[in-house]
Order: sequence, then C-alpha cells, then structure tokens
Amino acid sequence: AQSVAQPEDQVNVAEGNPLTVKCTYSVSGNPYLFWYVQYPNRGLQFLLKYITGDNLVKGSYGFEAEFNKSQTSFHLKKPSALVSDSALYFCAVRDTNSGTYKYIFGTGTRLKVLA
Amino acid sequence: DTEVTQTPKHLVMGMTNKKSLKCEQHMGHRAMYWYKQKAKKPPELMFVYSYEKLSINESVPSRFSPECPNSSLLNLHLHALQPEDSALYLCASSQSGTEQFFGPGTRLTVL
Repeated sequence: AQSVAQPEDQVNVAEGNPLTVKCTYSVSGNPYLFWYVQYPNRGLQFLLKYITGDNLVKGSYGFEAEFNKSQTSFHLKKPSALVSDSALYFCAVRDTNSGTYKYIFGTGTRLKVLA
Repeated sequence: DTEVTQTPKHLVMGMTNKKSLKCEQHMGHRAMYWYKQKAKKPPELMFVYSYEKLSINESVPSRFSPECPNSSLLNLHLHALQPEDSALYLCASSQSGTEQFFGPGTRLTVL
C-alpha cells in the first residue's frame, strides 16, 4: 500500500540552529515528492518538490530537501531556523504509476523554533 | 496570478440547510481538488476534477456534491450535513500533477 510517514509529531529547535523534518515514503514506481507548510487557519503553501534530476532540491524561504531513493526518504532541512518557521509541515507524494492526480500526505510534523 | 481563492472564509449552517463553497483559480491549471481537513490532521482528499471531469471521488457521502462549471471554477454543494462534517475545506489546483496550489480554505461549522 502507498504511504507517507512523518515519524515525528513535533520537532523543537533553537533559533539559528539547523533543522530537519523527516519523511519516508512507500510508493511504487517513480514518485513526485513535495513539502508544504501550513500556518494556523491557513491553506497549505508549497515549499519544494522533487520530480527528477539532482537529489538536492532547494525551495522557498531557505528550505531544501534531499531525495534518497535507496532509503525512500525526502527529509526537509534548513541551515538556520527562524522563529517564523514555526508551523505545521506536510510531506506529500504522488504515485506517477497510478495515472491519477492523487496525492498522499503524511500526518504532519509541528515545528517549533524557540527564541 | 498564482492564487487560489475560496469563498466564504467562514460558514455556519444548520443540518437542514443547503449551502455552497466556491473556489476559483486563473493559473490555467486543469486539475482541481477538494480536501477536508480536521484540526492538526493532514488534508483528506474528497474529489479531483481533471479537465472539468470528475476523475476521483473518495467515497464521499452524497450530502457533498461537487461541480466544475468551467476550467477556473470549482463548487462544493452542501446539503443535510452532520456536525462531524465541521472542518476546514480546502480547494487546490495543479498543472499536470505537479505541485498543488491551495486556497486559504473555508472554515465550516455545522450546528
């Protein structure tokens, strides 16, 4: 079965420290991978994606993610966290073999950046 | 214009009411989506329209009825909802199955 796992419900990090939010997936074929951020009472905002090519992708607001095919992971990273990065982060995957525009979301990780 | 708009922002309705949620995008995207999101949970897919045709219905109860009048508009008609249907309803669009652009959502409360 297709699935996306975000093993940490919450990640706490001090401002200025590097942050990592973990995501692993189980999808057949070549998936499209995405990260979104959601602030309270708002819609999801696209951060970055991996479709093909370079395994390290850079996105909005200084975020980046590394696609690791052997470990089926797509962890979100940022070298220096800001208090304003505190939000709910979702990893998502689209199984391109399915022939449908269906995206599977992880359960979300709450990032708390402490001043 | 890289924005998905949704109206209304908030909606309170009784269990016997009929109401509609509206979504609009002008990015030329050919896929549009409705999601339901409970607090601190991931979005749950409800419907997908591709080229104005319903392509996915995730076994959503018939009290929710989607409509895609044209490539820019997506409606969700609501009738005889239950209190457990209270949630944030998100609309999204995408081009060719890549990243989705989400609207701000409609906060629905069913009394």
